Amino acid sequence: NAGVTQTPKFQVLKTGQSMTLQCAQDMNHEYMSWYRQDPGMGLRLIHYSVGAGITDQGEVPNGYNVSRSTTEDFPLRLLSAAPSQTSVYFCASRRGTEAFFGQGTRLTVV
Amino acid sequence: AQRVTQPEKLLSVFKGAPVELKCNYSYSGSPELFWYVQYSRQRLQLLLRHISRESIKGFTADLNKGETSFHLKKPFAQEEDSAMYYCALSDGGGSNYKLTFGKGTLLTVNP
Repeated sequence: NAGVTQTPKFQVLKTGQSMTLQCAQDMNHEYMSWYRQDPGMGLRLIHYSVGAGITDQGEVPNGYNVSRSTTEDFPLRLLSAAPSQTSVYFCASRRGTEAFFGQGTRLTVV
Repeated sequence: AQRVTQPEKLLSVFKGAPVELKCNYSYSGSPELFWYVQYSRQRLQLLLRHISRESIKGFTADLNKGETSFHLKKPFAQEEDSAMYYCALSDGGGSNYKLTFGKGTLLTVNP
């Protein structure tokens, strides 16, 4: 039981590049979400999903896309990376109200 | 709108001293409150939740609805308690739970 797995752990992008952050969970949780963590800002919700085929925007969705084709996977796409998207990204899945987090992806946009 | 406020970005105490990490919230309904912890180079993990009324690693937190607070307390801090602590609130509506986090408090326990 691996829990929530994120890949990659580190990534450097050039401004304007696109990429996908992967998130997978093996706990059969319906609810999954993406947060970004910035110094002094805490964790801010980007997008979330309450089940396969259903996604919705969180607090800071601009510049990001998500899809949920399976229960297990919830990838986050950066369409055209900007320096303001330099952050640590966390994926989480929920059982009831307890969240389980991945180890994070540290993204730097130069 | 729901909001979680952690007034202290940094908190430094000595080993053996009591520690209190403050958390205040605003929410119109009946909230569910949590404390999450992130140790250095590790993922966030649930420390405790108010409905459990439990003590984890010596930490306790009591929900005070009158003061809209959920402060985290430990009578004798240990060096291994050094970590980032996040207070979080869930709206708990049906199955569409959203967790709103505070900005976090970095606790340092000095030897």
